[in-house]
Amino acid sequence: GAVVSQHPSWVICKSGTSVKIECRSLDFQATTMFWYRQFPKQSLMLMATSNEGSKATYEQGVEKDKFLINHASLTLSTLTVTSAHPEDSSFYICSRREGEYGYTFGSGTRLTVV
Amino acid sequence: KQEVTQIPAALSVPEGENLVLNCSFTDSAIYNLQWFRQDPGKGLTSLLLIQSSQREQTSGRLNASLDKSSGRSTLYIAASQPGDSATYLCALRMTTDSWGKLQFGAGTQVVVTP
Repeated sequence: GAVVSQHPSWVICKSGTSVKIECRSLDFQATTMFWYRQFPKQSLMLMATSNEGSKATYEQGVEKDKFLINHASLTLSTLTVTSAHPEDSSFYICSRREGEYGYTFGSGTRLTVV
Repeated sequence: KQEVTQIPAALSVPEGENLVLNCSFTDSAIYNLQWFRQDPGKGLTSLLLIQSSQREQTSGRLNASLDKSSGRSTLYIAASQPGDSATYLCALRMTTDSWGKLQFGAGTQVVVTP
């Protein structure tokens, strides 16, 4: 089946440090990828849309300097949470778009900032 | 602004009963609607996709209906099994969106007891 590999699956970091989350498209050239965050018992909230070779498009209210997205190749998109704080603790999920209708999601990253 | 609501937020049924999950939306200018399944701490798996011109889609024990005019979609799961326990999310893509962004409801958490 379709494979989007997200790494790490969980991470604990100290407040003030930065954390990088990787999302690899192993079997499909991903031109467009999406990054979501999800708080417990809440919906997935789109953070940004990343397109290979160009700057990411951020949703309203998402700090682009805090959540750095890089999509330098068709197989890799990364999300870096800079100067993380406890309120950044959340579940982050990437998704790639496949053609007109298809989406494959990564398995998610549980970030805990202490 | 599109609002996606899923009711109920949680549901517990004995094995064998049919499940009825509801999704409502405020803006009928949707391109398509998808139902996803999410297991705890995991990514999402697509279950059914309904195009805006369609009324329903079926896959095995799953059937999803769409009524754009009333802003509603329903996911039916027949003869539920303990393995159906998960959170079910509906997601919309709007006609005005060219990137393929999805807007999610908060989900219905389903528990099927043996």
